[in-house]
Amino acid sequence: EAEVAQSPRYKITEKSQAVAFWCDPISGHATLYWYRQILGQGPELLVQFQDESVVDDSQLPKDRFSAERLKGVDSTLKIQPAELGDSAMYLCASSQAGRGGLNEQFFGPGTRLTVL
Amino acid sequence: QKEVEQNSGPLSVPEGAIASLNCTYSDRGSQSFFWYRQYSGKSPELIMSIYSNGDKEDGRFTAQLNKASQYVSLLIRDSQPSDSATYLCAVNWGFKTIFGAGTRLFVKA
Repeated sequence: EAEVAQSPRYKITEKSQAVAFWCDPISGHATLYWYRQILGQGPELLVQFQDESVVDDSQLPKDRFSAERLKGVDSTLKIQPAELGDSAMYLCASSQAGRGGLNEQFFGPGTRLTVL
Repeated sequence: QKEVEQNSGPLSVPEGAIASLNCTYSDRGSQSFFWYRQYSGKSPELIMSIYSNGDKEDGRFTAQLNKASQYVSLLIRDSQPSDSATYLCAVNWGFKTIFGAGTRLFVKA
């Protein structure tokens, strides 16, 4: 069964350090999403890609966060420098939306980030 | 500001009962509606999608959509302890999807 892959699953870092997360969407899915989820809240969109183009990054803190999907397949989300408030679950999802497909989103297992 | 509202719960039901979860949304232009289940410490899992008014059934799950009243609900029949989780409602319009904060469901054995 096709799945969204993410790594690492867990990351502990100290504040002011740089961290990077990787996501490989389901094959053929044009749209890739990065979400941040804080305990007790729903996922909040950070950035959305359609193929290699950014569709929405309005909630991405661009002074410290960056995201890329250079070849329109896998993607990297980076935080530099990390702050205590960045501790959260970072979720990647993908969907067929944008190529006449459904916009049902499928999530990877997530990366649990702890900033000390 | 587009919003998706859910009662945070917890909603507690006995095993075998029907659990009813509700979600309201602010934008009448909303097109697609989804229910996700999220176990503690895990990522959301898609369980139902609904696009038109009425009911959609899949096994023990039934999604109900009423666009005029701007609400979508999820019914879980014959609730099991394994159904205990947080249920997230997601609403899509255009290329944008917004998630509610989720309702925590506890099914008591």
